[in-house]
Amino acid sequence: DTAVSQTPKYLVTQMGNDKSIKCEQNLGHDTMYWYKQDSKKFLKIMFSYNNKELIINETVPNRFSPKSPDKAHLNLHINSLELGDSAVYFCASSSTGTGGYEQYFGPGTRLTVT
Amino acid sequence: ILNVEQSPQSLHVQEGDSTNFTCSFPSSNFYALHWYRWETAKSPEALFVMTLNGDEKKKGRISATLNTKEGYSYLYIKGSQPEDSATYLCASPYSGGGADGLTFGKGTHLIIQP
Repeated sequence: DTAVSQTPKYLVTQMGNDKSIKCEQNLGHDTMYWYKQDSKKFLKIMFSYNNKELIINETVPNRFSPKSPDKAHLNLHINSLELGDSAVYFCASSSTGTGGYEQYFGPGTRLTVT
Repeated sequence: ILNVEQSPQSLHVQEGDSTNFTCSFPSSNFYALHWYRWETAKSPEALFVMTLNGDEKKKGRISATLNTKEGYSYLYIKGSQPEDSATYLCASPYSGGGADGLTFGKGTHLIIQP
């Protein structure tokens, strides 16, 4: 009965490869997010998405793209991986409405690019 | 870009003592203020979401206050226990739109010493 799940938990890959991280939530939320935890353990928003709009943090390279097959899933696809993409990526979900709803986080995916 | 600041960066507290720390945020265009608790090797968990000036919320020994006019929130822990050791994050949504990613502060790393 995991609320927000991510796969894989660990991902080791080489520079230049394309990879995806999957996220699923069973909370019935209509908004999902991707955050990146950088080397200083700082959480930064990458994308937020609901069935009406995709909001992209303009600092995110266009090699990163979210893909949502349905309301319960928001996958993160990364093209041409670079060393600097190594980080922990967290998926989250919430209800929608003026930022006043708590977000539920997945367990994180540790991506290592070699 | 929202600027959310937390202080102190880290804090050592003796078991049984009470403690508090601060989150400051822009007071203009305020929508909500979130507090999350983040234990090592886990994912962030929501403690409180506050939206109204003067809000005060409590969960067990942990409470939080909100001053939107001056742009700060305090988190209080009464009678600290070793299990309170964690990083405490505050965050605010980018905007009042429906799908709001959060801007997080860098956190206060709390260590409770037995």
